[in-house]
Amino acid sequence: GQQLNQSPQSMFIQEGEDVSMNCTSSSIFNTWLWYKQDPGEGPVLLIALYKAGELTSNGRLTAQFGITRKDSFLNISASIPSDVGIYFCAGLDPDSGYSTLTFGKGTMLLVSP
Amino acid sequence: DVKVTQSSRYLVKRTGEKVFLECVQDMDHENMFWYRQDPGLGLRLIYFSYDVKMKEKGDIPEGYSVSREKKERFSLILESASTNQTSMYLCASRPDGITNEKLFFGSGTQLSVL
Repeated sequence: GQQLNQSPQSMFIQEGEDVSMNCTSSSIFNTWLWYKQDPGEGPVLLIALYKAGELTSNGRLTAQFGITRKDSFLNISASIPSDVGIYFCAGLDPDSGYSTLTFGKGTMLLVSP
Repeated sequence: DVKVTQSSRYLVKRTGEKVFLECVQDMDHENMFWYRQDPGLGLRLIYFSYDVKMKEKGDIPEGYSVSREKKERFSLILESASTNQTSMYLCASRPDGITNEKLFFGSGTQLSVL
């Protein structure tokens, strides 16, 4: 299957700092999704993006669907300890017959109080 | 809220055993998925099903099979477990529809094969 390049692999930051992570692909996607996985739990959807250039916020989180349709980024402002977890991007390949998602490898975020 | 329930949080099995991982969803979703999650590799799709008794291979189906006899239940089967199948297994579901790519995940089953 396709691969998504997600970076950074991990981040260790102080509470209150802003965080930025991104995903890139060699091919275009129709949809970008961002998930968060808390320790010991399954991933939970944070933000869904459906149009190139779309910028969407969910509280302190902001995500954008890149104009080229080959990338997306997620920003977290004023981080807090409960932001700790693994963040995954996921993209929907328009050529995928069954609409299966491709996931990035994840960004592990650690927040120091 | 959608609930995707995986029957076991932790499983320990021996090499060569037949292992069943069960997943049930309560929202009448047509599509169900099994992923495995490994550190540094992210989520990789094993199998999925878009209807009862239908199944499709994902990216890493080798060593696995699946069963979907009822719409709400999707089982992952390891015919003869091996140590390289030690992993976190995640089940997910979603409804049909072009704007319904959002997956709802279970809490995962951490499988250790000794």
